[in-house]
Amino acid sequence: GIQVEQSPPDLILQEGANSTLRCNFSDSVNNLQWFHQNPWGQLINLFYIPSGTKQNGRLSATTVATERYSLLYISSSQTTDSGVYFCAVEEGSQGNLIFGKGTKLSVKP
Amino acid sequence: NAGVTQTPKFRVLKTGQSMTLLCAQDMNHEYMYWYRQDPGMGLRLIHYSVGEGTTAKGEVPDGYNVSRLKKQNFLLGLESAAPSQTSVYFCASSYWDGYEQYFGPGTRLTVT
Repeated sequence: GIQVEQSPPDLILQEGANSTLRCNFSDSVNNLQWFHQNPWGQLINLFYIPSGTKQNGRLSATTVATERYSLLYISSSQTTDSGVYFCAVEEGSQGNLIFGKGTKLSVKP
Repeated sequence: NAGVTQTPKFRVLKTGQSMTLLCAQDMNHEYMYWYRQDPGMGLRLIHYSVGEGTTAKGEVPDGYNVSRLKKQNFLLGLESAAPSQTSVYFCASSYWDGYEQYFGPGTRLTVT
């Protein structure tokens, strides 16, 4: 099956810093999503981005499908950005999402 | 528009007991999914449904059963709970495959 690898596994930032999270996947996909899991466990949809670039406020994402990777950019980080960021890709044609192990982000005040 | 809701939010079971988790969505989505999340890991697919009356196995289906009698509801059953099923369970739905999946708030299940 498809493999999804995220890096780095852990990231500690000072408030106001910028960061880039990476997601590599082993096969072509027709769906890629980024999620933020907050400290209360809630999964929040950040981006649906099988290809191209999208921006939403301080967050943006780019997926280069031909090279099998996606990047999530966080600018001017805030303490509320803390949590785990997951990349997930769809395997096959049944909509099954395969999740990476996540990047745990801690933003210090 | 509530999106995806899950019932209950928390549950503690003794080994061997049974229970049913309910997922409901009001977005008229065709596809629904049940995932589990264990500590320090991403989510893994248990079962899914591509429409009313259909179900299929995912990556980790053993010990679980599902039913989709109505389009808006997807039920996950544990017939004889085991400690290995202690986890957080998430339900999700999407309009079709290849479309964005929307997740419920999760159910935290502990089996003692």
